[in-house]
Amino acid sequence: ETGVTQSPTHLIKTRGQQVTLRCSSQSGHNTVSWYQQALGQGPQFIFQYYREEENGRGNFPPRFSGLQFPNYSSELNVNALELDDSALYLCASSLRFRRQDKEKLFFGSGTQLSVL
Amino acid sequence: AQTVTQSQPEMSVQEAETVTLSCTYDTSESDYYLFWYKQPPSRQMILVIRQEAYKQQNATENRFSVNFQKAAKSFSLKISDSQLGDAAMYFCAYKPGTASKLTFGTGTRLQVTL
Repeated sequence: ETGVTQSPTHLIKTRGQQVTLRCSSQSGHNTVSWYQQALGQGPQFIFQYYREEENGRGNFPPRFSGLQFPNYSSELNVNALELDDSALYLCASSLRFRRQDKEKLFFGSGTQLSVL
Repeated sequence: AQTVTQSQPEMSVQEAETVTLSCTYDTSESDYYLFWYKQPPSRQMILVIRQEAYKQQNATENRFSVNFQKAAKSFSLKISDSQLGDAAMYFCAYKPGTASKLTFGTGTRLQVTL
């Protein structure tokens, strides 16, 4: 167990709806990253938050947005859901203090989102 | 753009034997990190081993070791004395030293047989 928890574990939505996924980082971690893992693929980077500000973004449209809170928990919001958004969404936390620390990502078990 | 290629969709190994998973990557960076992650059915990505590009010595973690060939941009994972609990998806991943994102390969499914 890494101490990174995600909720809910499974979610079913319909096309056009909005969804919010939640992540609680490992204690003491100040950086959170979100990844999308489609079936049979490796995870793809969505974005990262450090000290409540976006600190890098992958090739995802603006309808994917995020928040990081002062307690370092985080949310991933997806608006106007499309069928292709069906995937496992993984959250990973890290400590951005020393160089070697920020390379150690601790992942949660993900939220499986199905869009019908 | 950086890419990570895993050319083996599936591999099988007998318990107690050794298996090597392949990974190649493409980058023009000189400062970067390479990783192997394990994803069991629980879906959680677990870090197996990490290699810093500036270190010539291959990383080892107990039964897991890598063969890092920087010039060839190759980063293979060797699992010795394979155990049933090693069965999982294995992902190779790359990260530039100054960037925030990991780039993953498509994964190799490892089966461990008795």
